[in-house]
Amino acid sequence: RKEVEQDPGPFNVPEGATVAFNCTYSNSASQSFFWYRQDCRKEPKLLMSVYSSGNEDGRFTAQLNRASQYISLLIRDSKLSDSATYLCVVMGVPGNTGKLIFGQGTTLQVKP
Amino acid sequence: GAVVSQHPSWVICKSGTSVKIECRSLDFQATTMFWYRQFPKQSLMLMATSNEGSKATYEQGVEKDKFLINHASLTLSTLTVTSAHPEDSSFYICSAEGRGGRPYEQYFGPGTRLTVT
Repeated sequence: RKEVEQDPGPFNVPEGATVAFNCTYSNSASQSFFWYRQDCRKEPKLLMSVYSSGNEDGRFTAQLNRASQYISLLIRDSKLSDSATYLCVVMGVPGNTGKLIFGQGTTLQVKP
Repeated sequence: GAVVSQHPSWVICKSGTSVKIECRSLDFQATTMFWYRQFPKQSLMLMATSNEGSKATYEQGVEKDKFLINHASLTLSTLTVTSAHPEDSSFYICSAEGRGGRPYEQYFGPGTRLTVT
């Protein structure tokens, strides 16, 4: 079983749509959680951290459910510029902090 | 702030040769640098973690004699792919964790695309 699992997609949505991505992780002792965005042939860039209480940054909302080991990202009012691959990332367990474990990524294509 | 550069951005080499990739933190001191590899349509996989002045810690399945890592200063780490083969063709990305940043925040370099012919 992969440590971090995501549906690779692609998700094809029209501009203005709301889209949600999900991610599950296997290690219940994982410490921190993030969503990164990666454009084609570029490095990943931090989109947002994910907190148990849920957090929002503009059109983006992230949720964490520790009991189910499940992370989500909601994008409202999709823009063409949101087209990218979204990576679910989990930070390592105690004793191995600093190690980021990346999911395969979910590809989003926003169409006009 | 928190800029990380990599050089070269892309390289083509012949099978059997060695290639060195540099990762530099430009405006901060990086106590720890990480090297990742990403094959097409796959996730980033951590290869090794390096701390300045000490030996790198390699992930399971990564050959330390093939992927030589040197973290000689607080702003520079190098990855040398020795005796490269076509299956080593990949996107290599470094990241740096610095002093003064948020705990465990990693700043990524732009990546190096290696093609071995």
